[in-house]
Parts: sequence; structure tokens; C-alpha cells
Amino acid sequence: DQQVKQNSPSLSVQEGRISILNCDYTNSMFDYFLWYKKYPAEGPTFLISISSIKDKNEDGRFTVFLNKSAKHLSLHIVPSQPGDSAVYFCAASKDSGYALNFGKGTSLLVTP
Amino acid sequence: DTGVSQNPRHKITKRGQNVTFRCDPISEHNRLYWYRQTLGQGPEFLTYFQNEAQLEKSRLLSDRFSAERPKGSFSTLEIQRTEQGDSAMYLCASSPGQGGANVLTFGAGSRLTVL
Repeated sequence: DQQVKQNSPSLSVQEGRISILNCDYTNSMFDYFLWYKKYPAEGPTFLISISSIKDKNEDGRFTVFLNKSAKHLSLHIVPSQPGDSAVYFCAASKDSGYALNFGKGTSLLVTP
Repeated sequence: DTGVSQNPRHKITKRGQNVTFRCDPISEHNRLYWYRQTLGQGPEFLTYFQNEAQLEKSRLLSDRFSAERPKGSFSTLEIQRTEQGDSAMYLCASSPGQGGANVLTFGAGSRLTVL
């Protein structure tokens, strides 16, 4: 049962524009939400997180928005750069004591 | 700190053989996780350790799979009598296990190909 869903397998964006990656979850017990980035032949790398008590967290070009009532979060990348081209995974957990549940990922391609 | 290290990076084996993967986590991290990733999927949780104690196992972890972390440092994942369906990337991750978001640091993975 997929508790974290990323319904867009791929996204293509022009350099300098905004990239918006979406994620939905079904488990209302999730407290923490994370985004990971993965390049080929490497393990996933942590990007940004947000706890359920917030609705926005920003780190440089990356902002994560959380809408608890809709069980939806999104990652915004502004401005997008070619080096951002990677697979992005959304992940969630009940609290810091639990393992992460991952979505299937969205492959982002940023074109020059 | 060299991060999370996994060996071997790639293993090709014949169906029915046993394979073992090793993970060396970040030294100060007391939690260690094993995940499996197949093509087009996100990482799927297999099991995790708090120090040497195995605290949770997924139903994905069949009887042919066993994981250990004998001294609370490195961990091994053994797959007995491999099947073609075991072909996947096996990812190890570690985390400090403190409050807040459980940020896992992943290794580069061990890719298993079962012929």
C-alpha cells in the first residue's frame, strides 16, 4: 500500500523557471516530510524537510509547502538550474523514531 | 567522515546462491536502515537497527533475508537462495536518531543482479 504518492513520473522545465514537484500522502499520522534528490549511480541525498506544525520551509532556492488538510506537499525550486536535473523523492514518517516511507519519485529535467 | 559506505557496489550471482552486503554507517549514528529500490520505484523499507537491536522488519523481508548489526557499528544483509526477483539496488542509510525529522544519510547502494 503506497502511503506516499508522486503522481508525475517526470517533469521538464526551462532553466531559470520554477519547478514544482508534488506529493500526496494518505497516512494522517505522518509528522515529518522530507525531499531527497538522487543522481544516477548515487544514493538519495537529503534536500529539505518540514514538520507537520509548519506549512512552509525555505532553504535557498528550495521551498517546501505543506497542506495538511489536503494531505499534500510540494517542492518549489526557483530558479531552476541544469544541475537540478535528478530524480526527486518525497518521503514521510510518523516521527523521528520511524523509518521513512518514500514515493516513487519524479524525474526532473532542467533544459538550458 | 567518509559518509555511509556499502560493499560490494555490484554483485552478479546465479539463482540459488547466497549473497552478503556490508554497510558501514556514519560513526556517530546509532540508527541503521536497509532499503531496497527497484526500477521506477522509490526506496522500500526493509529493516532498521537502533545500535545492535533490530527494531523493525518489513513484511517485504522474507525468511531468506537476514540482517545483523553485531556490535552496533557495521551491518550485513544476507540473502539466501537468491531469486531473480531479488535483483534490485540495496541501500543502506544511517541517522543520529535524535528528535525532529529523521534525516537519513544514504550510501551509494549495492546493486544485485540475479541471473
